Amino acid sequence: NAGVTQTPKFQVLKTGQSMTLQCAQDMNHEYMSWYRQDPGMGLRLIHYSVGAGITDQGEVPNGYNVSRSTTEDFPLRLLSAAPSQTSVYFCASSYSGRTTEAFFGQGTRLTVV
Amino acid sequence: AQSVTQLDSHVSVSEGTPVLLRCNYSSSYSPSLFWYVQHPNKGLQLLLKYTSAATLVKGINGFEAEFKKSETSFHLTKPSAHMSDAAEYFCVVRTQAGTALIFGKGTTLSVSS
Repeated sequence: NAGVTQTPKFQVLKTGQSMTLQCAQDMNHEYMSWYRQDPGMGLRLIHYSVGAGITDQGEVPNGYNVSRSTTEDFPLRLLSAAPSQTSVYFCASSYSGRTTEAFFGQGTRLTVV
Repeated sequence: AQSVTQLDSHVSVSEGTPVLLRCNYSSSYSPSLFWYVQHPNKGLQLLLKYTSAATLVKGINGFEAEFKKSETSFHLTKPSAHMSDAAEYFCVVRTQAGTALIFGKGTTLSVSS
């Protein structure tokens, strides 16, 4: 049981390049979400999904795109990378409901130069 | 809107002394609250959760937290700190719809020998 798997673990991009951060979970969770972690800011919600085909924006969605074609996968796309997107990105998944805990991937450390 | 405020960005204790990490929440509904821990360069691990059952919640590694509605607080405590407790701790609340998490800015716990 792998849990939540994120790839890659590290990435360096040049300004203007695009890339996709992958997230997969094998727990049949309905909810999935993406966060970015910056020093002193905690984790901030980028986008989330409540099921296949359903996504919505979080607190900091600009510059990012998501889709969810299957229950298992929730990729995050950077359309045109900017230095302000240098951050650590975490994917999380959980069962539906307000009392359920979320499970996190190990994170992707992204540097945009 | 719901939010959590961690009152200390950094707490330093000596090994064997008590730990107190403070968190206040703001919510217009009965909240589901969590504490997560992040060790350096690692993902996030659930310590404990409050979901409107018992107000004193016991978690892993000897941590516990007490939900106090009158004070809108959910402070994390441990009777005796261990060197391995050095990490960043996040107080977290689920959104009212339950679809995602809202994080506090984090408290870094340092433990000295």
